[in-house]
Amino acid sequence: AQSVTQLGSHVSVSEGALVLLRCNYSSSVPPYLFWYVQYPNQGLQLLLKYTTGATLVKGINGFEAEFKKSETSFHLTKPSAHMSDAAEYFCAVSGLSGSARQLTFGSGTQLTVLP
Amino acid sequence: DADVTQTPRNRITKTGKRIMLECSQTKGHDRMYWYRQDPGLGLRLIYYSFDVKDINKGEISDGYSVSRQAQAKFSLSLESAIPNQTALYFCATSDSAGASNEQFFGPGTRLTVL
Repeated sequence: AQSVTQLGSHVSVSEGALVLLRCNYSSSVPPYLFWYVQYPNQGLQLLLKYTTGATLVKGINGFEAEFKKSETSFHLTKPSAHMSDAAEYFCAVSGLSGSARQLTFGSGTQLTVLP
Repeated sequence: DADVTQTPRNRITKTGKRIMLECSQTKGHDRMYWYRQDPGLGLRLIYYSFDVKDINKGEISDGYSVSRQAQAKFSLSLESAIPNQTALYFCATSDSAGASNEQFFGPGTRLTVL
C-alpha cells in the first residue's frame, strides 16, 4: 500500500519569499513521485515528477523538488513566490506495476501569496 | 483544443435522479480514470479502465458505475444521486507505454445534488 501526507493544509507566504510545501510518502516499492497544481476552477496540471535518476527535479514556473529516500520526502520549493503561484498543490505517489501503478494523492496544500 | 474534455462542466440535480458525466480524450491514451475531489480529502479514485474491456473499481466505487464506450470515451454514472455525492469530479488519462505513471486531467465537473 502507498500513502501521501502533506503537512499543512494551508500555507501563506509573502510575495518574494521562499515557498516550501512538504510531502512525505510511504510505498512498499520504489516510487514515482509527482506534484500537481490546481488553479481556481481548473483541472490539475503537472508541475514536476520524479521517476529515476537525479533526485533534484526541476519543474515549470520555477518550482523544484528533491527526492530524499532516507526521509521518504519529496518537498516542493520555489525561491521567490509570485502572486500567480496562489493555488492548491497536490503531491502524489505511484509504484511501478500492478495496482501500485495507481496514483495516490495527498489531501492538498492551499498556497496563499500575500502582497 | 483541450486534450481531455468533460461534459457538463457544472450540473445541479435532485436526490434520486440518474446522472451521467462524460469524458473524452484525444491523447490516444489507453488508460482512463474517474476521481472525485472533496475539500480536505484530495482526490479519490472511483473507477479506472486500462482498456475498453478492462474496468476496475477504485477506492470509492459504491453508488457509481462506468462505461468505456471506446478508447477515447469513459462515462461515469450516478444511478440514484444523493447529496453526499456533491463534489468536483475529474477524468484523467495515462499511457501504459509511458515511462512514468503521469496522468493528464480534464477541467472537472462540479456536481451539486440537492
